[in-house]
Amino acid sequence: GQQLNQSPQSMFIQEGEDVSMNCTSSSIFNTWLWYKQDPGEGPVLLIALYKAGELTSNGRLTAQFGITRKDSFLNISASIPSDVGIYFCAGVNSGGSNYKLTFGKGTLLTVNP
Amino acid sequence: ETGVTQSPTHLIKTRGQQVTLRCSSQSGHNTVSWYQQALGQGPQFIFQYYREEENGRGNFPPRFSGLQFPNYSSELNVNALELDDSALYLCASSRPSGAGETQYFGPGTRLLVL
Repeated sequence: GQQLNQSPQSMFIQEGEDVSMNCTSSSIFNTWLWYKQDPGEGPVLLIALYKAGELTSNGRLTAQFGITRKDSFLNISASIPSDVGIYFCAGVNSGGSNYKLTFGKGTLLTVNP
Repeated sequence: ETGVTQSPTHLIKTRGQQVTLRCSSQSGHNTVSWYQQALGQGPQFIFQYYREEENGRGNFPPRFSGLQFPNYSSELNVNALELDDSALYLCASSRPSGAGETQYFGPGTRLLVL
């Protein structure tokens, strides 16, 4: 089945530093999504990418959809303590009655004030 | 707050039992997806329901089944529970919008199978 390889597994950074994480896959996806999950809560969508090569920003977050549709990265600039959490990439394939969303294993981000 | 609610919040069952989990979608959303999240892992897609019909399924056995009701709320049923079914079960509601859709997740139901 489809798998997403997300790296790094965890990161420990100082407040104010920039962060970069990425996902790769052996399969092509129609859409790439980046989510953040806080303890005890469901994932919250940060950025959605729909076109190959697309670069999208949401405040301090920037994400890009790879040209081959098999990879994506997420950058967080000037990290703050509330950025702490688990970040997941997810790839979507959909067509007719065949929707499928695949999550990566997550990147645990810790920000030291 | 996403407007997606799930019940119960926690549940303990024994192996072989059956369980039903419930999800109320955000107002105006006609699509509900269910996910299983084991400890330390990303959510695994179970299936999606769109207008009361299954619209896609992940790699889960038939003992995982679902329903969507006319008000778009949904149930996840798991029969013959196994120890490995212990996980956080998440539902997400959305409204298909052409190129993509934003899924809004509920807080989840934590299931423990003993």
